[in-house]
Parts: sequence; C-alpha cells; structure tokens
Amino acid sequence: EADIYQTPRYLVIGTGKKITLECSQTMGHDKMYWYQQDPGMELHLIHYSYGVNSTEKGDLSSESTVSRIRTEHFPLTLESARPSHTSQYLCASSGPAGFGEQFFGPGTRLTVL
Amino acid sequence: AQSVTQPDIHITVSEGASLELRCNYSYGATPYLFWYVQSPGQGLQLLLKYFSGDTLVQGIKGFEAEFKRSQSSFNLRKPSVHWSDAAEYFCAVGARDTGKLIFGQGTTLQVKP
Repeated sequence: EADIYQTPRYLVIGTGKKITLECSQTMGHDKMYWYQQDPGMELHLIHYSYGVNSTEKGDLSSESTVSRIRTEHFPLTLESARPSHTSQYLCASSGPAGFGEQFFGPGTRLTVL
Repeated sequence: AQSVTQPDIHITVSEGASLELRCNYSYGATPYLFWYVQSPGQGLQLLLKYFSGDTLVQGIKGFEAEFKRSQSSFNLRKPSVHWSDAAEYFCAVGARDTGKLIFGQGTTLQVKP
C-alpha cells in the first residue's frame, strides 16, 4: 500500500541534542515537503525538494536542515535542539500526476525541554 | 502576494445541521484550490480539490466546495454534519509554477450532539 511515514511520532528531548526526524514515502513521488505547525495554527513550509540532491528552503526560516539522497527518503535534522523548536513537523509528498496535491504523513510532535 | 484567509477560527454546529466553512484566497492567476481535514494528533487528509472545469467539486465524506472566481472564494459545505466531522479544516492554494501550497489559518469545527 502506497503511503508516507514519519518517525518518531512523539519526541521529548533536552536542549542541545541533535535530532533527526525521518520521513519516507512509497509512492515514488519526486516532490517532498516539510511543514512546521504550532498548535491551532496554520502550516508553514520550511523545506522542500523536487528530487534527489535537490533541496530548497521554504517560506518560514528554520534552523533545521534536510537531505534528499534517495527519492523515498527526506529526513530533517536539528543540530542543536532548543525549546523554540518545539512544534509539530509534518512531511508531505506529491507526484507529477497530482500537481499541487500533497499527501501528508501523520506528523512528529517535538518537545524540547 | 499569494494568501489564504479563513475568516472563522472556530465554528460550532449541531449534529445533523448544515455546514459552510469560508475560504478566500489571493492569487494572481487561476489557482489550484484544496480543502484538507486534520484530526487531533494526525496529519492532513485531502477532502477535495479544484484544478479547472466544473466549479462545484465533490469530495470525500459528503463534502463539496464551490469555486467562485468573482468572489475569490472556495467555500466548503456539507448538508448534514456528523459528530465524526469534528476536526480542523484547512483551505490551501497551490502555486501552479512551484507546486507549493499556502495554507489558511484553519477553522476548528465542533459538533454538538
């Protein structure tokens, strides 16, 4: 079954730790996205990729980084987590057949103490 | 600049009553338009989309939306709300050139028994 996965679903971590949020999709989509969403607020695009070895920063500035070495995998890394990074992070993907239609993962809720 | 406005932050309706969630957009050309639903602690699920053609689009779970170019609106409707419809609803506009989505602030729907 084609799907998009995110791990972990919940993460509580101390300040200064390095973390990687995983995102994988089995739909063969070229385009992938990371959004940040604070409780009760809209989604803000922080990173996107149009294919392997392609990454761009989104509309909202973020201290995180991303990589796209494989089509199906789009991890997000925070080198040194801070309380201001506490948020929900949503990964999405879209393919050429459904231009603009994005499929979302379940999200990772990150809490930095 | 592209933007999406959802004027109603919170709406409460009785089960069985009709529902209309408002969405206004600002975009320089004919947009791609979407409605997504998000249940607590979950990712976003696509309800329906408008790319072109018939301005009244049908979606999943009995939802429909009407694109009105003259009013720059894409309101979501449902004739009879079920308790399971309680969730957060996001309207989004997709940029045809980049494929990126811009989301509104979201409307929280509460359903009274």
